[in-house]
Amino acid sequence: DQQVKQNSPSLSVQEGRISILNCDYTNSMFDYFLWYKKYPAEGPTFLISISSIKDKNEDGRFTVFLNKSAKHLSLHIVPSQPGDSAVYFCAASARTGANNLFFGTGTRLTVIP
Amino acid sequence: DTAVSQTPKYLVTQMGNDKSIKCEQNLGHDTMYWYKQDSKKFLKIMFSYNNKELIINETVPNRFSPKSPDKAHLNLHINSLELGDSAVYFCASSQGGVLGSPLHFGNGTRLTVT
Repeated sequence: DQQVKQNSPSLSVQEGRISILNCDYTNSMFDYFLWYKKYPAEGPTFLISISSIKDKNEDGRFTVFLNKSAKHLSLHIVPSQPGDSAVYFCAASARTGANNLFFGTGTRLTVIP
Repeated sequence: DTAVSQTPKYLVTQMGNDKSIKCEQNLGHDTMYWYKQDSKKFLKIMFSYNNKELIINETVPNRFSPKSPDKAHLNLHINSLELGDSAVYFCASSQGGVLGSPLHFGNGTRLTVT
């Protein structure tokens, strides 16, 4: 059973506009969330994270929002750049849940120049 | 220098064969992992080792056997390969587990079983 879901397999955005990638989770024990970015033929690379004690974390053009009551998080990229075109994975973990990170199936972002 | 390196990058083999995938990290991390990405792009943990000790062993056939000779290496040996084993296998490492530091992934090994 998939505990982390990314329901949009793909997203296209014009360069300079905002990209919003969404992620939902089902396990209420999750309290640490991450976004990873993946280029073709490479492994995922860490982008940004957020702990459940926060509802927002910002790093440059990237902001992650967490809505615990809705079990939903989103990644905002603004302004979007062509180099942001990649697959973005949402991941979650529980502090009491051993050494496991649960991943969504990814959203392919295409930023159109 | 590649932080997490895994070899080979591509592996094509026939059903019934035994194969190994090697992984090495030069980050000084104490925890290493194997993840499998299947055809549906679902990335799921297989094993986790902390300082050479097995921490997680998810529901994986016992044909898959991880070996950690030291904390910088975690190799994956697969016996009697089956068609369903075809996937991309990612090695990763972190310091202090998934909550200690973000996982650093290798570039993956695409295994094709024919």
